[in-house]
Amino acid sequence: SQQGEEDPQALSIQEGENATMNCSYKTSINNLQWYRQNSGRGLVHLILIRSNEREKHSGRLRVTLDTSKKSSSLLITASRAADTASYFCATVWDYKLSFGAGTTVTVRA
Amino acid sequence: DVKVTQSSRYLVKRTGEKVFLECVQDMDHENMFWYRQDPGLGLRLIYFSYDVKMKEKGDIPEGYSVSREKKERFSLILESASTNQTSMYLCASSFEGRKAFFGQGTRLTVV
Repeated sequence: SQQGEEDPQALSIQEGENATMNCSYKTSINNLQWYRQNSGRGLVHLILIRSNEREKHSGRLRVTLDTSKKSSSLLITASRAADTASYFCATVWDYKLSFGAGTTVTVRA
Repeated sequence: DVKVTQSSRYLVKRTGEKVFLECVQDMDHENMFWYRQDPGLGLRLIYFSYDVKMKEKGDIPEGYSVSREKKERFSLILESASTNQTSMYLCASSFEGRKAFFGQGTRLTVV
């Protein structure tokens, strides 16, 4: 079974709005990572948050981690058309990298 | 530029054929992974490797095997391809659980 589950499965927003997606996982982690996948292409790493961190920022991205609830969220602020993609959370435990089913984000112009 | 290269973007194979998917990375990473990606199911881990000649089963290893004879190369083998193995296959590498780098994927169709 998969480690992570993203919510919602799909999200449609207007350009300039914020997009928030959530990830829940089942077991212990060393870190949690978020990736983006543009249609038909490989995944690109966005951000990594370690298990002892609660929040991290990178540009327009903000990630939170709550290990007591085994959950994480990814916020993309001031979205752009180029943010249209699928977003995946991935957990790492003992170097094993496990993914969820992803959230598909559509940003409307 | 760091690179993970998968040998083919598209493959069409017949049922029962033995299929080899090759992945090469140039970053001297110990950890390498094979996933399959299907609509609505995200990425499911087939096998991963901690180091040369070391491998661990992922979540869906049935029908697959792997080989890692050299650090830079991780091969996925479909012993006898079946139509339910039609999928997108993604290879990745990482160092000590840090960010992973992905290849562009191989879209395999088994007919």
